Amino acid sequence: DAGVIQSPRHEVTEMGQEVTLRCKPISGHDYLFWYRQTMMRGLELLIYFNNNVPIDDSGMPEDRFSAKMPNASFSTLKIQPSEPRDSAVYFCASSLVRGGEQYFGPGTRLTVT
Amino acid sequence: TQLLEQSPQFLSIQEGENLTVYCNSSSVFSSLQWYRQEPGEGPVLLVTVVTGGEVKKLKRLTFQFGDARKDSSLHITAAQPGDTGLYLCAGALSNFGNEKLTFGTGTRLTIIP
Repeated sequence: DAGVIQSPRHEVTEMGQEVTLRCKPISGHDYLFWYRQTMMRGLELLIYFNNNVPIDDSGMPEDRFSAKMPNASFSTLKIQPSEPRDSAVYFCASSLVRGGEQYFGPGTRLTVT
Repeated sequence: TQLLEQSPQFLSIQEGENLTVYCNSSSVFSSLQWYRQEPGEGPVLLVTVVTGGEVKKLKRLTFQFGDARKDSSLHITAAQPGDTGLYLCAGALSNFGNEKLTFGTGTRLTIIP
């Protein structure tokens, strides 16, 4: 298996623009997680899905952030409009079982100018 | 307020030395995982501990889960430059159905050749 795939790897955009991050989890994994990592706040869970259904979005910073999982092999995290404080590395991870090992993608480094 | 505090935040030691990093919380975890993250990559699981007092060894790395399942430690013997990275502990809470992990603040370890 290719592991968790994220795209793009790097994204540079101007404040106010829409940003869409993409994730393909490992086939057969029922759980998908979106994280944000910064030096100041560390690794923060934004939202997670179980069987394509959003379970907990309490970590989503505000209404500018939204996430979808239309099928078992694809998820998106959208920021609209983007702001400089959204600059971070965004990780997607998937897990086979509840509370099990999480397999992380390589991350998307987002820079909002 | 961080649920999982790791110490030290930064650690730089010479190759061949021993070290211990800590992961502490006031909450009781069902299980606790340790991950290592290298620059430009996502975290990778090292070990999972489940039982209070449990000790697991992975070559030169020794992991211990506290008796009360509120804390954990990672001891590295004879550190090697390849041990350099960001070490993250992550706990699963039963009141969240053990479905999601709360990550610690991280210890950034540098081994000097």
